[in-house]
Amino acid sequence: EVQLVESGGGLVQPGGSLRLSCAASGFIFSTYWVTWVRQAPGKGLEWVANINPDGGVKQYMDSVKGRFTISRDNAKNSLFLQMNSLRAEDTAVYYCARHDLVYNYYYMDVWGKGTTVTVSS
Amino acid sequence: QSALTQEASVSGTVGQKVTLSCTGNSKNIGSYAVGWYQQISHGAPKIVMFGNSLPSGIPDRFSGSKSGTTASLTISGLQPEDEADYYCSTWDNSLTAWVFGGGTKLTVL
Repeated sequence: EVQLVESGGGLVQPGGSLRLSCAASGFIFSTYWVTWVRQAPGKGLEWVANINPDGGVKQYMDSVKGRFTISRDNAKNSLFLQMNSLRAEDTAVYYCARHDLVYNYYYMDVWGKGTTVTVSS
Repeated sequence: QSALTQEASVSGTVGQKVTLSCTGNSKNIGSYAVGWYQQISHGAPKIVMFGNSLPSGIPDRFSGSKSGTTASLTISGLQPEDEADYYCSTWDNSLTAWVFGGGTKLTVL
């Protein structure tokens, strides 16, 4: 079964750090782009960052550039998101998702169930 | 404010046909295919449409289309289990980012 399972969420104070993980199984992880998407309480989906199969290309939304770092360990089928200098507005459920190429376009075809990050004093 | 614009809410009765729209510009919808994602009760999103192609396991009452800078998701023969939030998404080559619509809350009356 193709699966993504996030972990590492929790309560952290403003200015603090947290590292999220996403464990992949059921597919050849090293051949896919993967991404982080978040959803603040009561709000819509918001793309955060993505990374290419070999980890050499990383892209970020503007508000997290310089604070968040996406990385992957293909030997361990894992995706990570290191989040530093956290702000209240980073409070959200964080999902990892896989990008698949379908008829020449990419889509987020597999999603995890998410992990909750709360930034509060 | 989202880069893609969706109706905040749409409603329909069982068996009815409803269409959800997603409007962008030439740098996103005008250049790339649009994915549609269903989210039930704030659970994990699930893809229900690859552009105008149906993912495996999604009922064929779902269909997708695009004209210029507007994409549409149509559900023919609405069912109670279709009640959910629906998001459109695509790549934006001006923002160099994946963008989502604000989401449409579909209510089945």
